Amino acid sequence: DVKVTQSSRYLVKRTGEKVFLECVQDMDHENMFWYRQDPGLGLRLIYFSYDVKMKEKGDIPEGYSVSREKKERFSLILESASTNQTSMYLCASTSPNTEAFFGQGTRLTVV
Amino acid sequence: KNEVEQSPQNLTAQEGEFITINCSYSVGISALHWLQQHPGGGIVSLFMLSSGKKKHGRLIATINIQEKHSSLHITASHPRDSAVYICAVSPGYGQNFVFGPGTRLSVLP
Repeated sequence: DVKVTQSSRYLVKRTGEKVFLECVQDMDHENMFWYRQDPGLGLRLIYFSYDVKMKEKGDIPEGYSVSREKKERFSLILESASTNQTSMYLCASTSPNTEAFFGQGTRLTVV
Repeated sequence: KNEVEQSPQNLTAQEGEFITINCSYSVGISALHWLQQHPGGGIVSLFMLSSGKKKHGRLIATINIQEKHSSLHITASHPRDSAVYICAVSPGYGQNFVFGPGTRLSVLP
């Protein structure tokens, strides 16, 4: 009964690599979000999308881009991974007047 | 001043105790969410509220729109309730959530 699926639970990448984090939801939600979670800093919004091909920058978009070609899929791209992007990445989806559903998270380590 | 505040920040309880976590917010909202995150785990939605009260098992959530305040109660607490509880508000359609800082709960056997 998984509703939001992130492609990887753990990921280790090298500095400079291009990294793709995928998120898929099966609830036909309009809104999808990418957050990173760091100790002491809580959840910080990277990007969100409220419709196919639409995207909005969040609080910390630098070094990231996103893609939403289909309603159910929202991809986060690290153009050139750096060590300061080591973090837990969480995807979420929702629609107006619905609960928020989160993926299980991807713990990314950049070495 | 943060838009969403929670109290307490940390809470340790004995198994069986009644627990209350509070959330206050300063922005207009369309809904308030209570989320749970176990150590090393993902985030699970417990409740979404726009008015009144909801109950799910041993968990009860209330909201007072006029006072801009919500509470999460856990009855007969159990060690498996140990987690971080996060209050989040939805300002409106198509808008991001605003998260509280979280309350770290430890329930001791």
